[in-house]
Parts: sequence; C-alpha cells; structure tokens
Amino acid sequence: QQQVKQSPQSLIVQKGGISIINCAYENTAFDYFPWYQQFPGKGPALLIAIRPDVSEKKEGRFTISFNKSAKQFSLHIMDSQPGDSATYFCAASIIGTGGFKTIFGAGTRLFVKA
Amino acid sequence: DGGITQSPKYLFRKEGQNVTLSCEQNLNHDAMYWYRQDPGQGLRLIYYSQIVNDFQKGDIAEGYSVSREKKESFPLTVTSAQKNPTAFYLCASSIAGTFNEQFFGPGTRLTVL
Repeated sequence: QQQVKQSPQSLIVQKGGISIINCAYENTAFDYFPWYQQFPGKGPALLIAIRPDVSEKKEGRFTISFNKSAKQFSLHIMDSQPGDSATYFCAASIIGTGGFKTIFGAGTRLFVKA
Repeated sequence: DGGITQSPKYLFRKEGQNVTLSCEQNLNHDAMYWYRQDPGQGLRLIYYSQIVNDFQKGDIAEGYSVSREKKESFPLTVTSAQKNPTAFYLCASSIAGTFNEQFFGPGTRLTVL
C-alpha cells in the first residue's frame, strides 16, 4: 500500500533525446510527489515536485506528468544532456504518525550518451 | 553556508560493535530524517523527527536508535542487532508542518567487517 514502483531500473539515451521515467503508487492518501536527482557519492537533491490536483508541471527541460485516476506519474527530461547522467528517484509523501513521511522508488540510473 | 553535515564520509567497524553516525544542520529546520540506501532499493526510512525530543520509527527501524536532544542534531546509532549494517546512510532535514523539500547531507558509507 505504501510502495512506489519505479521503472525502468536503467536508461540509456542519446544526447538531445527525451528521457522518460515512470512511477506508480497504490495509496490514494499520498499528497505530494517529488523527484530527486542523485549524483554518485552525493545526497539526493530535489528536482521538481507536484501535488495531485495538477496534471502537469514544467520547469525548464524537466516535466512531471500526473495521472491521478491511474495513480501514475512520470518524469520527462527534454533535450537530455550528458550532465543529466545521474540516478533519479520518484517519491510520494503522506501524513503519518508523528509527521510527514516520504516513500521513495527504487531509482533509475540514467546515462546520456554524448 | 547553510546545509547538512554528515561525518565521517567513510566508516569502518568490526561486526558486533555499535557505531554512531553524526548529522548536523544549520538550516533551522524542525524535521530531520535518516535513510538507508542499498543498491537497487532506493532510500528506505529508518527514523524521523518532527520536533526536538520526539521521533518516530520508519519502515526499517530494527537495529537502529536515534536521539533528538537539539534541533540541529539527529545522531543515528547502528547497533549490533542490525543484521546487515553495511550501507550508505543519508540524513535529511525539512521545514515541518507541511509537504516540503528535504535537504540531504552528503551521506556516510558504513562498512562492517
């Protein structure tokens, strides 16, 4: 119920192409859906986030598409660049006992070929 | 510079020893979190705290303990009861009370020999 399923595990995209990462959840109580980017040996950093009352959010080359009825959301990276090569985590947040909890997907390792 | 500090970056311990990982933040955040990261499994929540002197178990709390005596500090102790402690440990903080960005530290890689 509190899992977030992420796919694919890894992704190779040519420079200039579109990278697409998908996530699905079960618990309709999730109310905030962030995406984090992590470079090797570093902590994750927030990339972009969306609330379920919005179907799409765009920030520069990064877009979240959100389908509330299907309980799915995805990250699109337009014009992918080698510097985008990193691990991407989708997540979903919920109000739990003692505060807000965030459940992370397993991650997608993106490699953008120059 | 505001941020989260974790120390040390690498830590080696013998099996059966308790070890404490440090996490300090100067962002004035009320909420702090500890996650464990293993290859292919994403980040799993160990403990979290929304306010000083209060904390909650996350999804994988067994074998770990925490304290929150000061707003800026949230140390994690990995005890000998943790069956497989070798992992990358991440500390994070955020503004409490609503859905907010979590700011992560650089992590501590613990290896138990």
